[in-house]
Amino acid sequence: GEDVEQSLFLSVREGDSSVINCTYTDSSSTYLYWYKQEPGAGLQLLTYIFSNMDMKQDQRLTVLLNKKDKHLSLRIADTQTGDSAIYFCAESKAAGSYQLTFGKGTKLSVIP
Amino acid sequence: DAGVIQSPRHEVTEMGQEVTLRCKPISGHNSLFWYRQTMMRGLELLIYFNNNVPIDDSGMPEDRFSAKMPNASFSTLKIQPSEPRDSAVYFCASSFNRYEQYFGPGTRLTVT
Repeated sequence: GEDVEQSLFLSVREGDSSVINCTYTDSSSTYLYWYKQEPGAGLQLLTYIFSNMDMKQDQRLTVLLNKKDKHLSLRIADTQTGDSAIYFCAESKAAGSYQLTFGKGTKLSVIP
Repeated sequence: DAGVIQSPRHEVTEMGQEVTLRCKPISGHNSLFWYRQTMMRGLELLIYFNNNVPIDDSGMPEDRFSAKMPNASFSTLKIQPSEPRDSAVYFCASSFNRYEQYFGPGTRLTVT
């Protein structure tokens, strides 16, 4: 199966919280990343978490990591229309590794 | 900082023609990556340079693809001859610490 899996679509109402989920298969993954891609643009690094952490918060973004279940989530509080984009989860397999394995991306649609 | 710069943003060419994609990484970054994005395969790493030296080119699909980095501020990805299945968005990314990769806006290549 795929190394990194994400659901393809998520739709939320403006002002609600969005939760984008990701599962990975390699227990040796050391860094896990969330990238955002707006239409016609490159990938923008949002945040990343080291595998010995459970949670990381940065303004409206909260990342939760369940290493036992190999599950990563990105919560966006007070979702805005500007948050509409494709969100990619990625993992790196070893400390200091440049190799990132990306999921296929979750398209977030925010309904005004 | 202007970020990673890629040119051209769009390229349409006929099968059999040579295509050259260009990238200027962020000043001070010592790692450079070329990725390809398609609907079917998602994001794939093609080649990774560190300090202008190719470290891993195992993702380059075949001999028709070649990449160079003659200096710290410039890299090219060349496809010769191009084929319709090469149609994709090609991203260049650069990094100063391997954990944070900064992506350019991409080049959308269409081979007819």
